[in-house]
Amino acid sequence: DAGVTQSPTHLIKTRGQQVTLRCSPKSGHDTVSWYQQALGQGPQFIFQYYEEEERQRGNFPDRFSGHQFPNYSSELNVNALLLGDSALYLCASSFILSGGAHNEQFFGPGTRLTVL
Amino acid sequence: DQQVKQNSPSLSVQEGRISILNCDYTNSMFDYFLWYKKYPAEGPTFLISISSIKDKNEDGRFTVFLNKSAKHLSLHIVPSQPGDSAVYFCAASPSLYNNNDMRFGAGTRLTVKP
Repeated sequence: DAGVTQSPTHLIKTRGQQVTLRCSPKSGHDTVSWYQQALGQGPQFIFQYYEEEERQRGNFPDRFSGHQFPNYSSELNVNALLLGDSALYLCASSFILSGGAHNEQFFGPGTRLTVL
Repeated sequence: DQQVKQNSPSLSVQEGRISILNCDYTNSMFDYFLWYKKYPAEGPTFLISISSIKDKNEDGRFTVFLNKSAKHLSLHIVPSQPGDSAVYFCAASPSLYNNNDMRFGAGTRLTVKP
């Protein structure tokens, strides 16, 4: 059973460019969350997708956008890249249990983005 | 704003002894707390959780304690093993029914020496 997968593993971009990161959730999971982890910090919540819609958003500018596809996979797009966007971007998936509770989130290995 | 804080960036323990990792939070709306373990080049892996209605949850060598009045939780690992060496993240969520916007601490790097 494949866990959460992310692509690419590493990415180097220059300021002002745009980037798209991809995530495939764990089999059976329908909810995808994206996190940014800067060096020496814990992951920070960007947004969460469920049923192809953004459910909630953290404190990130509109330059960060996302999408969820019918197969539950997801993309994170970042426009007009800044040096400060350099970080590890983590995708996490989960599913809603009967009763409405979420199981714990399963994380992918992340995409390391470097902005020069 | 740092609503979840792990004040010790690193901890070193001898194999077989107890490891105690600490976490403090400021938002009283947090209702569900989790610990994640992260090895290099891997994503964080769920370890153990606790709901605010409990003060202790145990799973094998891992026990999480919650002190709501002090807004403090701790993870005890006993006995510690070299394979436990990793970065441990404390996380807090508003609800088990809403894992949106889970807040993480900065992590504590645990080293267990043989």
